[in-house]
Amino acid sequence: DAKTTQPNSMESNEEEPVHLPCNHSTISGTDYIHWYRQLPSQGPEYVIHGLTSNVNNRMASLAIAEDRKSSTLILHRATLRDAAVYYCILFGGAGSYQLTFGKGTKLSVIP
Amino acid sequence: EAQVTQNPRYLITVTGKKLTVTCSQNMNHEYMSWYRQDPGLGLRQIYYSMNVEVTDKGDVPEGYKVSRKEKRNFPLILESPSPNQTSLYFCASGSLSGLRVDGYTFGSGTRLTVV
Repeated sequence: DAKTTQPNSMESNEEEPVHLPCNHSTISGTDYIHWYRQLPSQGPEYVIHGLTSNVNNRMASLAIAEDRKSSTLILHRATLRDAAVYYCILFGGAGSYQLTFGKGTKLSVIP
Repeated sequence: EAQVTQNPRYLITVTGKKLTVTCSQNMNHEYMSWYRQDPGLGLRQIYYSMNVEVTDKGDVPEGYKVSRKEKRNFPLILESPSPNQTSLYFCASGSLSGLRVDGYTFGSGTRLTVV
């Protein structure tokens, strides 16, 4: 299985942008890059996904490196509600639909 | 509202007493899955189902059973629970045609304690 590497934890000040990195050097050509987050005491929540191009939605932006070996989830203005564990997951390649979670990055937001 | 509903939210039971955790989704999703989450081990997949009557093992299926008789329901059955099955359980669903782009929707979780 293609693996991802994320920092264990990051901190951000409230209302500042946050850049959460993810390395996936063994990504295959058909793997989608998905991001989920898990707020305390809740189930994981889909955030954003992409294949090759940068993507934006109401929650975040996803910047994908040209060689696709890394990506960055961007929260434009962190709020206290964004404090969560963020998971970067490779998904959907070769018809595989198993969502395999790593340890993720625990984001703390400082008021 | 589109959602995945798990019941119960909390359950304390004794070793060996059969139990079922229910999961229901109202989005007509083909794909459903069960995960357990443990400190230090993260989220691990137990079983998944690609459609009605089609189920397959995930990474940690031992001690669990599932069934998929209807599209909307995917119950998790513990025939003889043991203390090492004390965990936080999540059900998830997704549209097969849109899984790559829409991802999964997760339930709110069931915290199970086996004493």
